[in-house]
Amino acid sequence: DAKTTQPNSMESNEEEPVHLPCNHSTISGTDYIHWYRQLPSQGPEYVIHGLTSNVNNRMASLAIAEDRKSSTLILHRATLRDAAVYYCILRDPRSGGGADGLTFGKGTHLIIQP
Amino acid sequence: EAQVTQNPRYLITVTGKKLTVTCSQNMNHEYMSWYRQDPGLGLRQIYYSMNVEVTDKGDVPEGYKVSRKEKRNFPLILESPSPNQTSLYFCATGTSGRAPPPYEQYFGPGTRLTVT
Repeated sequence: DAKTTQPNSMESNEEEPVHLPCNHSTISGTDYIHWYRQLPSQGPEYVIHGLTSNVNNRMASLAIAEDRKSSTLILHRATLRDAAVYYCILRDPRSGGGADGLTFGKGTHLIIQP
Repeated sequence: EAQVTQNPRYLITVTGKKLTVTCSQNMNHEYMSWYRQDPGLGLRQIYYSMNVEVTDKGDVPEGYKVSRKEKRNFPLILESPSPNQTSLYFCATGTSGRAPPPYEQYFGPGTRLTVT
């Protein structure tokens, strides 16, 4: 799977939007972009995924650049409960054989100030 | 309610004393996996299972064993634990990476293991 680059940490204020960037300049045409987050003392949880078009769900929005070399996870109104480490992960459905697992990088530690 | 359960949640043991960490899921998923998480190293996959009786090594399998006799259970076995296996362990379940996206994996609450 291709590599992703995320800032180590970001800080935001409660009830403000948060834009978490992810660079994936070596993304292949079949890589899906996934975002997971890990709340303190919990296992990671799925947030959202996309291929080319922007996506919305109840947790967040995913904005994907036209060239797909970057994406942004958008939390529209951050709360203290959104403080977590956010991981941007690429996954190619064609990559058989391998671990079928998710390759987690270091992610972005999001700090929410009250 | 969809659940992945792990037991125990916390364990302190001594070097060489065999232990098993259990993982159970109620989502009828074929794919199950074990990860360990260490500061500065992130999450790394230990073993995974694509289905009953099918297991394979992940990135860091040394010192671990697994079994998959039933679809819902995927225990992690440390035959002779050593201090370098002190870590936070997560079990995960989900759809196979070969299935259509999303690759939504559900993680258990974690087991914090300390080997002295």
